Amino acid sequence: GGIITQTPKFLIGQEGQKLTLKCQQNFNHDTMYWYRQDSGKGLRLIYYSITENDLQKGDLSEGYDASREKKSSFSLTVTSAQKNEMAVFLCASSPTGVQNTLYFGAGTRLSVL
Amino acid sequence: GDQVEQSPSALSLHEGTGSALRCNFTTTMRAVQWFRKNSRGSLINLFYLASGTKENGRLKSAFDSKERYSTLHIRDAQLEDSGTYFCAVANNAGAKLTFGGGTRLTVRP
Repeated sequence: GGIITQTPKFLIGQEGQKLTLKCQQNFNHDTMYWYRQDSGKGLRLIYYSITENDLQKGDLSEGYDASREKKSSFSLTVTSAQKNEMAVFLCASSPTGVQNTLYFGAGTRLSVL
Repeated sequence: GDQVEQSPSALSLHEGTGSALRCNFTTTMRAVQWFRKNSRGSLINLFYLASGTKENGRLKSAFDSKERYSTLHIRDAQLEDSGTYFCAVANNAGAKLTFGGGTRLTVRP
């Protein structure tokens, strides 16, 4: 079986700071995703990528950049952290094909002071 | 955009009992996936359905694309079933899943 590794697990930033979250998968999946989860809400898609160097905007892309440097790696940048922001960022991957099952990493918990 | 509503938002069950969680969506969807978020915050795959029903142990899920809903049935609930359950639906474009708001399940002794 494969695994999705997100780093760091916890991230504390300052208002206005640029913050980068990293995600690695060894499933050899084509598609990777970044979701944001706020307390009491469902997951919202920020960016996804269907192959290396591809980037597609989700519903919540404003304020974020992403980069698919290679097939196994997908990073997310918060361009300017908002004061008192708290959320969990989840990375996921899925194989291409009819069955688009998503597999998730353990998440990065962001707190902005 | 696509809308996905889960009900109930919270559910409390006694050990050994059962119930059903529901996921309604506003347009025809290609597939549905159910997850449980455990106490450590990890999202665990439960089911992926493009049609019909699937069963795994004490869990059973059904997907009706035409009627625009999916259900997750839990029977003989155990303490370790506690957590937040999410449904997510895939539209015909394929790559993107839209998540519901989740159902927080608490199983009590």
